[in-house]
Amino acid sequence: AQSVTQLGSHVSVSEGALVLLRCNYSSSVPPYLFWYVQYPNQGLQLLLKYTTGATLVKGINGFEAEFKKSETSFHLTKPSAHMSDAAEYFCAVRGTGANSKLTFGKGITLSVRP
Amino acid sequence: GAGVSQSPSNKVTEKGKDVELRCDPISGHTALYWYRQSLGQGLEFLIYFQGNSAPDKSGLPSDRFSAERTGGSVSTLTIQRTQQEDSAVYLCASSLDRGGRTTYEQYFGPGTRLTVT
Repeated sequence: AQSVTQLGSHVSVSEGALVLLRCNYSSSVPPYLFWYVQYPNQGLQLLLKYTTGATLVKGINGFEAEFKKSETSFHLTKPSAHMSDAAEYFCAVRGTGANSKLTFGKGITLSVRP
Repeated sequence: GAGVSQSPSNKVTEKGKDVELRCDPISGHTALYWYRQSLGQGLEFLIYFQGNSAPDKSGLPSDRFSAERTGGSVSTLTIQRTQQEDSAVYLCASSLDRGGRTTYEQYFGPGTRLTVT
């Protein structure tokens, strides 16, 4: 079984500041990890994924995340926030077996102050 | 190319009525998923289709919910005798899960917002 914990429901940063959104996972098998972003009244868009290989993965819009097995974490970062980054962010995990459904965290709303 | 499409985008129905929600996956994608997004429960898995295999229905909340996938492409999620707690956004996703061509990521449609009055 898998689970995802995203602590806090809301993060607010100033434009140009570092963005850090935390994600911890639990998985009985080596995980595949994803970050998705959801803008108002839209579906989910994939930001980045970790499957195997390099533990630091880069995604779209300047975001990156690092898989840390020892900490069971997959935190999302962006060096400099932009107003257009304001959205809801979801971390998700899936197993590597035949069961490919995604298990999502509860999501974090990111606000960006001018 | 075209992404995942869903129809209708919004559906308002009276309690007790049946509703059908449609999903058109990305052409060539072998796997199709339905999820539900609600304020209280977040994003929940409902059902998963992979090729010609029997679907994984483990996330369906009750026997009022059913889904089918015709010809390995279009899928319909049916909710019978709708209840107010069924109000949510229903999201469909597809992915290419085929041996060495597996890409793992799921591509989501814009969702159908269901309101049961």
